Amino acid sequence: AQSVTQLGSHVSVSEGALVLLRCNYSSSVPPYLFWYVQYPNQGLQLLLKYTTGATLVKGINGFEAEFKKSETSFHLTKPSAHMSDAAEYFCAVSPSNTGKLIFGQGTTLQVKP
Amino acid sequence: DAGVTQSPTHLIKTRGQQVTLRCSPKSGHDTVSWYQQALGQGPQFIFQYYEEEERQRGNFPDRFSGHQFPNYSSELNVNALLLGDSALYLCASSLERGPSGNTIYFGEGSWLTVV
Repeated sequence: AQSVTQLGSHVSVSEGALVLLRCNYSSSVPPYLFWYVQYPNQGLQLLLKYTTGATLVKGINGFEAEFKKSETSFHLTKPSAHMSDAAEYFCAVSPSNTGKLIFGQGTTLQVKP
Repeated sequence: DAGVTQSPTHLIKTRGQQVTLRCSPKSGHDTVSWYQQALGQGPQFIFQYYEEEERQRGNFPDRFSGHQFPNYSSELNVNALLLGDSALYLCASSLERGPSGNTIYFGEGSWLTVV
């Protein structure tokens, strides 16, 4: 069975500071990994995804994530936080590329001025 | 290019009633998945439809059923509503035989409140 653990339900950073959102996964097969962002009262928007190939994945809005198989991690980072980054972030794993996603509980990112 | 569209956006139902939610996938997509997102939680996979058949199902009771039409649009039906069914219901679309790295797109969701 696959699962996702997001460490830290709330993360608070100052504007301009590094953003680091942690995600660890469990999977018996090579996983597909995703990060989604959800703004208040909206659906999910894909930030980035890892399928195969390069382990450092660049996404939208300056976010990137690195797949580390040895650590079963897929942490999300952004060098400099912006006020508009305040949102809920979800890490997800899929056993295949068929649309079934297993989500973590989410991390709320707060950005302070 | 229209993205994933869902209707209605908000609705209120009474316990015991039945509800139908609708989803039109992104243009060119043939696979529709439904998720339930309770307040403060991550989305939970309900089921997935491809070629008008339910292909995968999550851990949800039979009160949750669905349908996919020839134009790939889909409906989610929930019978005998419980208070615990109150949630945001998300539809996601994808392409079955897409390129590696197929992107899964989500709609804005339908907010269901059961009173």
